[in-house]
Amino acid sequence: ETGVTQSPTHLIKTRGQQVTLRCSSQSGHNTVSWYQQALGQGPQFIFQYYREEENGRGNFPPRFSGLQFPNYSSELNVNALELDDSALYLCASSLVASGGSYNEQFFGPGTRLTVL
Amino acid sequence: QKEVEQDPGPLSVPEGAIVSLNCTYSNSAFQYFMWYRQYSRKGPELLMYTYSSGNKEDGRFTAQVDKSSKYISLFIRDSQPSDSATYLCAMSRYGNNRLAFGKGNQVVVIP
Repeated sequence: ETGVTQSPTHLIKTRGQQVTLRCSSQSGHNTVSWYQQALGQGPQFIFQYYREEENGRGNFPPRFSGLQFPNYSSELNVNALELDDSALYLCASSLVASGGSYNEQFFGPGTRLTVL
Repeated sequence: QKEVEQDPGPLSVPEGAIVSLNCTYSNSAFQYFMWYRQYSRKGPELLMYTYSSGNKEDGRFTAQVDKSSKYISLFIRDSQPSDSATYLCAMSRYGNNRLAFGKGNQVVVIP
């Protein structure tokens, strides 16, 4: 069983550019969530995808968008990059069944994005 | 007021000491309470999970939840240098997979 993987590991972009980050979910998982972790802060929820549909969004502007593919891998896209977008971007996958029971989220190592 | 408050001050303790961490929260809808450990340049990994109020013990780790006070704690007994990491509290509501995190505490265990 492979864990959650993310690519690239590090990325440097300039203000105004666009970036795509990728995540490969743990085998058998159907849900992926993306979080932004600024330096010295806890992760902040960006959005979640369940079976290829967005299923909840945090307080992030529309220039943050995502996709989930049939194999449950996922992308996070950020347009018009700002300096404050510099952070560690984490994806987490989980297996969500019907009902509201707890579902452990497994985190990848993250992509560190620097915006200059 | 943030949903989850965790005093981010670093903690430095000698090996073998008890580490005590805590978080408070404002959203009474939270039902699941978690502690994650995050090593430098790694993603968070789940340490403990508790549903609703009560205590849970796993080896050297004890998690406590007091929903009446909206207060959760993590205790690490007989701390080891390998416990040096950032500890994040996290919470979620029933039927909602979104995690709300605290800022994290950096813990350093000195041999």
